[in-house]
Amino acid sequence: GAVVSQHPSRVICKSGTSVKIECRSLDFQATTMFWYRQFPKQSLMLMATSNEGSKATYEQGVEKDKFLINHASLTLSTLTVTSAHPEDSSFYICSATVGAGYNEQFFGPGTRLTVL
Amino acid sequence: EDQVTQSPEALRLQEGESSSLNCSYTVSGLRGLFWYRQDPGKGPEFLFTLYSAGEEKEKERLKATLTKKESFLHITAPKPEDSATYLCAVVLGGNNRKLIWGLGTSLAVNP
Repeated sequence: GAVVSQHPSRVICKSGTSVKIECRSLDFQATTMFWYRQFPKQSLMLMATSNEGSKATYEQGVEKDKFLINHASLTLSTLTVTSAHPEDSSFYICSATVGAGYNEQFFGPGTRLTVL
Repeated sequence: EDQVTQSPEALRLQEGESSSLNCSYTVSGLRGLFWYRQDPGKGPEFLFTLYSAGEEKEKERLKATLTKKESFLHITAPKPEDSATYLCAVVLGGNNRKLIWGLGTSLAVNP
């Protein structure tokens, strides 16, 4: 149980294009989903938190117009990187949690984005 | 400032050589502490949740413990497949349930 999937696992795109990453909770309904970014040999950096049907809450320094998050249902959240540039190249990971308490987050396998 | 520190940064063990990883925290209002395992190029895999001092959880060769200042992840008779980065994170009180992460311990188990 508690499986989270991400699609695609890898994407290569040209500078200036937009890329959408999907995050799904496969066997549970996620109260909250989170989006992280991870640089090599560094820990996870939280980008935003989203609840189904609500606007995402972005962390300080994260451009909400560049990283669009849509939490369409209790099992699906999407991250769209708009007008991607090489500095947006990174490993993006989503997670999901259940309930209103302080429960563990279950992570997806991650998406490696490379912008040429 | 709320902070989570993991030690050592890297650890190399021989197969069967037991050891412990440390996660110390200086935070206000701890609501939970989590251990994850992360393999290269993959998302973190959930291992344990600890909520209160004195709590212990076990899974196969791993055992996690919690005090008021730190948590330990004990690895008994490790195998090469236990090689990974082990991450510790805490969640504080509040509505956003944001995790504060340590930098991880990179564990290598040699056969």
